[in-house]
Amino acid sequence: AQTVTQSQPEMSVQEAETVTLSCTYDTSENNYYLFWYKQPPSRQMILVIRQEAYKQQNATENRFSVNFQKAAKSFSLKISDSQLGDTAMYFCASGETSGSRLTFGEGTQLTVNP
Amino acid sequence: EPEVTQTPSHQVTQMGQEVILRCVPISNHLYFYWYRQILGQKVEFLVSFYNNEISEKSEIFDDQFSVERPDGSNFTLKIRSTKLEDSAMYFCASRRGLLYGYTFGSGTRLTVV
Repeated sequence: AQTVTQSQPEMSVQEAETVTLSCTYDTSENNYYLFWYKQPPSRQMILVIRQEAYKQQNATENRFSVNFQKAAKSFSLKISDSQLGDTAMYFCASGETSGSRLTFGEGTQLTVNP
Repeated sequence: EPEVTQTPSHQVTQMGQEVILRCVPISNHLYFYWYRQILGQKVEFLVSFYNNEISEKSEIFDDQFSVERPDGSNFTLKIRSTKLEDSAMYFCASRRGLLYGYTFGSGTRLTVV
């Protein structure tokens, strides 16, 4: 079974600054994927970024990048040049390539202040 | 960009009533899922569906729950006799294959009174 832990229930950042959200996970699988999802107040789940565990290179998507440390089972999300629209709950999730389910962390509520 | 569509966006039902939550996954996707999120809690897996059958279900997905893909486009979640604790946001998701990412719908907020 997989577990995902987000130890920061809330974080805040000033507009235009950089913030890093932490996530650790545990899995017995060799092949898996890691995801960050954004959930704004509308509660829609929006994919921010994903990382294949077999890839050493950290995924990047515009202002969003990850620091994937496979040995440490750590998968943090860095948001650069934070914008007010980044205010949301952020969920880290893992999924096995051979399996079905996504396992989510508890979420981190990010507030970007003007 | 293709979307996963869920209807209704909000449903209120009386305890003990049956509800059907509807989802239209992306047309070329093969794997379908239901998740739920009780207010203030993490998102929890309910069930996955592939090749017209359930491929995995969680301990939450008991006999009160069922899923169906009746016509090749809709993917439904039925709760036979709703309880107060079934109040949650229910998300449908789909993906093209096991190596692809998941696309979530906007969710159905179910309120059981």
